[in-house]
Amino acid sequence: GAVVSQHPSRVICKSGTSVKIECRSLDFQATTMFWYRQFPKQSLMLMATSNEGSKATYEQGVEKDKFLINHASLTLSTLTVTSAHPEDSSFYICSAGDGDQPQHFGDGTRLSIL
Amino acid sequence: DAKTTQPNSMESNEEEPVHLPCNHSTISGTDYIHWYRQLPSQGPEYVIHGLTSNVNNRMASLAIAEDRKSSTLILHRATLRDAAVYYCILREESLGSARQLTFGSGTQLTVLP
Repeated sequence: GAVVSQHPSRVICKSGTSVKIECRSLDFQATTMFWYRQFPKQSLMLMATSNEGSKATYEQGVEKDKFLINHASLTLSTLTVTSAHPEDSSFYICSAGDGDQPQHFGDGTRLSIL
Repeated sequence: DAKTTQPNSMESNEEEPVHLPCNHSTISGTDYIHWYRQLPSQGPEYVIHGLTSNVNNRMASLAIAEDRKSSTLILHRATLRDAAVYYCILREESLGSARQLTFGSGTQLTVLP
C-alpha cells in the first residue's frame, strides 16, 4: 500500500485563489520531505526541501513567499500555492524517505488555475 | 550530483526482456545508482538500487558495470503495465539523512502488445 499519501489529487480553481496540498508519511516518520513540480512532457524539478520544525530550503528560482511550506509534524508537510495564477498550473509531487531508504512519492496533485 | 545519460525512448514487445541502459561516467565512489519509474499521471515509483554488485528484486534486475560508469535495468518480461518513464539517478550516500533526487529526462518505455 501507499506509504506517502498526497491530497488532493486534483484541484481546479480560479486565478488568485490559494491552494493547500498535503503530504503525509503513513508508516514512518519523515524529518525531511521534498516537493517537486512537473510541467507537461518534462521531468520532475525539485522546488524545496521541507524540514520538520524548521524553515524549508528552496531551490533557486522558487519564490518562498508564493510557495509556502509547513512541516509541523514528522508525518505531515503542506505546500500552499498563494494567489495562484495560470502559470502555476502544474503537477505537484511530494516525496519522503526514512533516512537512507529509497524515497516514496505521493500520487501527485494536478493543479489547474483558470 | 553526477549526471546520468539515458536514451529518450525505447520500445519492447510484451513478454520479452527489456534492457534499459544508463551512462554515468562521472560517478563517485559514494554514489548509489537508483532507478525509479513514473507511470502516466502518477508520482515516481522506486524500482531498484545498487552500489557495486548486481541486484535483483521482484520488479527488476540491476546490472552494474565493473567500472561503475554504466548500468542496465533489466525487466525480465515486459508487460503493458511496465510502460512508463524510467529514471536512472545517482544518489550520494546520505549517512542517515534523506537526500533529494535529481531527475534527468529518463527513458520513455513503450511496450507493444
